[in-house]
This record gives sequence, structure tokens and C-alpha cells, in this order.
Amino acid sequence: DTGVSQNPRHKITKRGQNVTFRCDPISEHNRLYWYRQTLGQGPEFLTYFQNEAQLEKSRLLSDRFSAERPKGSFSTLEIQRTEQGDSAMYLCASSLVQDLGTGGKVGTEAFFGQGTRLTVV
Amino acid sequence: GENVEQHPSTLSVQEGDSAVIKCTYSDSASNYFPWYKQELGKGPQLIIDIRSNVGEKKDQRIAVTLNKTAKHFSLHITETQPEDSAVYFCAASRANFGNEKLTFGTGTRLTIIP
Repeated sequence: DTGVSQNPRHKITKRGQNVTFRCDPISEHNRLYWYRQTLGQGPEFLTYFQNEAQLEKSRLLSDRFSAERPKGSFSTLEIQRTEQGDSAMYLCASSLVQDLGTGGKVGTEAFFGQGTRLTVV
Repeated sequence: GENVEQHPSTLSVQEGDSAVIKCTYSDSASNYFPWYKQELGKGPQLIIDIRSNVGEKKDQRIAVTLNKTAKHFSLHITETQPEDSAVYFCAASRANFGNEKLTFGTGTRLTIIP
């Protein structure tokens, strides 16, 4: 399977513990996005990377959240001191954006992984 | 920021009938409007998208229409089948590739009744 891979698929943790999720994007995709989806809602944007650079962070991403993409390939999302309100599905997506060399760009759709479901008890 | 509203939240249709889901958006700079299908326990999967330079796009049983003046777009599924049962999300973004984050609607749970 060459799609977006997320691990683990499920995580149950006690309130106050730290958790880390991993996302492996589609090979050669330079854009990587993190979204959070709560029950009955659509995904909400958290942050995104262009290669290893984190270009934008949502207000939803509090100081307890940190995301990295150290080598421009896989990414990790860490939540420190988890709270019950952090319980959600965390989705990763990737896409490829290329410069045309004329000032324009082209890109693929965003492909989503199957998500990591976090339950904080 | 962008705000996307989606209706209805649930929709049940007889197999073979058509289903229509509607979305409105607030940011006039949005120019890319994808529709995603999400099945239980899976991530969203793109089923069709439309850019602001066209008013309609069709792919077999699925079509999307866009009215930029009114800031609304709709998903049409014809000849519905049981495998169409899922949650559908509309989304909007300023897809000029300098900013591609998606703002999603709240979803429509579509149930196809055999």
C-alpha cells in the first residue's frame, strides 16, 4: 500500500500523559497536513509542512501540541499533558506541489490517511 | 477565516434515487471545492472536486455544481447504490498552492435504503 500511513491506529491514554503519533506520507509528496476530527464534525486544520518547514499553525494547536517533520519525509505529532478534550481522530494528509518555473504552481489533491483515534481517560 | 456550512446533516434515499447535498462558504477568495467520502473507521477520500473557473463537473454518477456569486456548491449523486452509504464532507480552500488548507463542512450522513 503506497498511501498515507498513520500509526498507531488507536491510542488510549490517561489524562496527563504524553502521546506521539506518526504519519508517513505518500513518497515524494512535499506537503504534509495534520487535521483533527471530533465525533460528528468535519476535520479541522491543525498545521502543515512544506518539506521540513512548518508553514502554518492553527489557533487550535495549543502549546501542548508540537509537530515535526525533521527530514521532510515522515512527521510526528506530540501532545503533552493530554486532556479529555484532546480525544479525537487525528488525520494526516499529503500532497505534491510543484513550481512551474513561471511563477505558477500545480498540485495534487490531498490524500488522507486512516487516522489515529485518541481516547483520553 | 473561511466558514463552510453543509446541509442536510442526515439524508436517507431509496436505492436508485438521487441524493443532493448543499454547502455554502463565506470566503470569496476560496477557489477550490472538493468533496470527500468517509466510511466508518477510514480517512476521507476525495470523490470529486471543482475549481472556481467552472460551474459544473461530472464523473459518472457524481456531479458537482458551483455558484460563485451565491457562494454555494452542491453534490449530486444519481442512481444511488448501497455502497454510496457513508458520510460526505464538502470543503473549501484558496488553492493557489500558497495556502491549501481545507475548511470542511460538518458532514452529511447518507443512507441508501435497499
